[in-house]
Amino acid sequence: KAGVTQTPRYLIKTRGQQVTLSCSPISGHRSVSWYQQTPGQGLQFLFEYFSETQRNKGNFPGRFSGRQFSNSRSEMNVSTLELGDSALYLCASSSRTGANTEAFFGQGTRLTVV
Amino acid sequence: DAKTTQPTSMDCAEGRAANLPCNHSTISGNEYVYWYRQIHSQGPQYIIHGLKNNETNEMASLIITEDRKSSTLILPHATLRDTAVYYCIVRPGSGNTGKLIFGQGTTLQVKP
Repeated sequence: KAGVTQTPRYLIKTRGQQVTLSCSPISGHRSVSWYQQTPGQGLQFLFEYFSETQRNKGNFPGRFSGRQFSNSRSEMNVSTLELGDSALYLCASSSRTGANTEAFFGQGTRLTVV
Repeated sequence: DAKTTQPTSMDCAEGRAANLPCNHSTISGNEYVYWYRQIHSQGPQYIIHGLKNNETNEMASLIITEDRKSSTLILPHATLRDTAVYYCIVRPGSGNTGKLIFGQGTTLQVKP
């Protein structure tokens, strides 16, 4: 069974641009969460989607947005990029929501803003 | 959300058991304890989780104290490939959320 697939793996963008990252969850998984990892802040929760609805949102500015499609694939968008947005962006999928459900992570997209 | 406390770093000899402690003294009755690990620049890897009882799978064992205020992840025969950052996470039991709150974790160095 294929794991969580994130594309692209690496990305270089210029300040002020926008970027869209993609996540394909494990087949059959309906919940997708996004995380940002930086050396200074560690792993931080961005948002969670289940059945195309945002269920939870972390403490990030409105420049960070996401969506989930009917096939459970998810995208996240960052507008007006800042240097501080350089990070590893990770997507995790699980079969359902709730505390007794393991989440599986993709390999991430490494975004560099110059 | 319950917080966790883990040692910053630990060493373990290859072939020996690695015992990674985690303190979660404010855990609620319906919150699960999860362990993930992250090898440099890769996505976190799920290891194991539990509520009250001890759990074992092909990767590790999870020992949760009776009062649930602490737990230990045991890697029975550590190899060099087990060198990673290990995260102990207490997952909110209410609100039907998949959110994971990561701390700083324990950097485990397995040495030959």
